[in-house]
Amino acid sequence: GDSVTQMEGPVTLSEEAFLTINCTYTATGYPSLFWYVQYPGEGLQLLLKATKADDKGSNKGFEATYRKETTSFHLEKGSVQVSDSAVYFCALSDRGSGGYQKVTFGIGTKLQVIP
Amino acid sequence: DSGVTQTPKHLITATGQRVTLRCSPRSGDLSVYWYQQSLDQGLQFLIQYYNGEERAKGNILERFSAQQFPDLHSELNLSSLELGDSALYFCASSVRGSGTEAFFGQGTRLTVV
Repeated sequence: GDSVTQMEGPVTLSEEAFLTINCTYTATGYPSLFWYVQYPGEGLQLLLKATKADDKGSNKGFEATYRKETTSFHLEKGSVQVSDSAVYFCALSDRGSGGYQKVTFGIGTKLQVIP
Repeated sequence: DSGVTQTPKHLITATGQRVTLRCSPRSGDLSVYWYQQSLDQGLQFLIQYYNGEERAKGNILERFSAQQFPDLHSELNLSSLELGDSALYFCASSVRGSGTEAFFGQGTRLTVV
């Protein structure tokens, strides 16, 4: 079945540091890939997505490139801010048997940015 | 606003009791997912419905059950509650078709005392 593996946190960075959160996936079909963010006390929000190989999703300074050859979708940001402190979830969306849409999440990586 | 509505936002109940959590998906979304998020446990997939039918089951206890109604809203029933069931319960919905993301509600915070 489908699965998503992402690095366990917490990740602690100083403000303006470079961020990478690794994510790899296993899927039987041709999935779409997503990063979600959960700020403290809130629900999950879509951060960015990519629907096919070599697509780059980007939003709020975050980027991730769909790498089919390495089955990866690593999240990067050049300069993090304190306000980026949150939990980040990698996810994939694929068609299950019967044609319905199935979404699979990674375990989440907690990011803490210190001033 | 994601368009997914969950009620109630907060729920406090005693051990052994039964509660029902409600989710209204975004207009047009046929799939509904339920997740449990405990402290330090990450996002645990419970169950998925598609157009009224159960499609996938995750780590859902036998004391828990769910259903999706003809109007596509869904309910998650938790019975014989234990202290360890205290968690955030999220509902998400998505449309059928590839490339579609799941939209999350704000969650129901359940506290079992």
